[in-house]
Amino acid sequence: AQKVTQAQTEISVVEKEDVTLDCVYETRDTTYYLFWYKQPPSGELVFLIRRNSFDEQNEISGRYSWNFQKSTSSFNFTITASQVVDSAVYFCALNSGGYQKVTFGTGTKLQVIP
Amino acid sequence: SQTIHQWPATLVQPVGSPLSLECTVEGTSNPNLYWYRQAAGRGLQLLFYSIGIDQISSEVPQNLSASRPQDRQFILSSKKLLLSDSGFYLCAWTGTPNTGELFFGEGSRLTVL
Repeated sequence: AQKVTQAQTEISVVEKEDVTLDCVYETRDTTYYLFWYKQPPSGELVFLIRRNSFDEQNEISGRYSWNFQKSTSSFNFTITASQVVDSAVYFCALNSGGYQKVTFGTGTKLQVIP
Repeated sequence: SQTIHQWPATLVQPVGSPLSLECTVEGTSNPNLYWYRQAAGRGLQLLFYSIGIDQISSEVPQNLSASRPQDRQFILSSKKLLLSDSGFYLCAWTGTPNTGELFFGEGSRLTVL
């Protein structure tokens, strides 16, 4: 079985602050894939990143960065210098065991206040 | 490039009425297709997935059914809607089922009254 936990239900930050969204996952498989998605108020989920279990290199894309740590089963997402357009619900997700089914966390709602 | 489109975007239906939500994918062949539901303020629940024409797997026993009559078409149906069927329905596809990154449609918001 696979499980994703996003303990932070809602976060509010003031514009230009940095914010980290936490994600903890559970799986017994040695090969798995982790994802982050963004759901803006319009509703459509937007794929942000995929991380493979065998690649623990952290990744940076502009103001976004992701910290993958197998030792703590975490895949955290940091937004640097947050902007109002970052306001959305962010989902962490896991695919393992080749089940072709992705399990999503319950999401973290981020509000960036101008 | 690949695109996914689902409709209708918004639907208000009375209890007991039928439902049909449609999803199509363009620019790819033999995708895996998925229907997810998101209840208000909740996460995503996988309802159905399909690895090919007429091949449907159901994840949650419920009032809904899915069909895949063509390679790039996925339909979510109900014969009689319940109040609990209200929610935001999202269709998704992946061309890489081993890794599983999903690409979602715009979503269909269903309100059952």
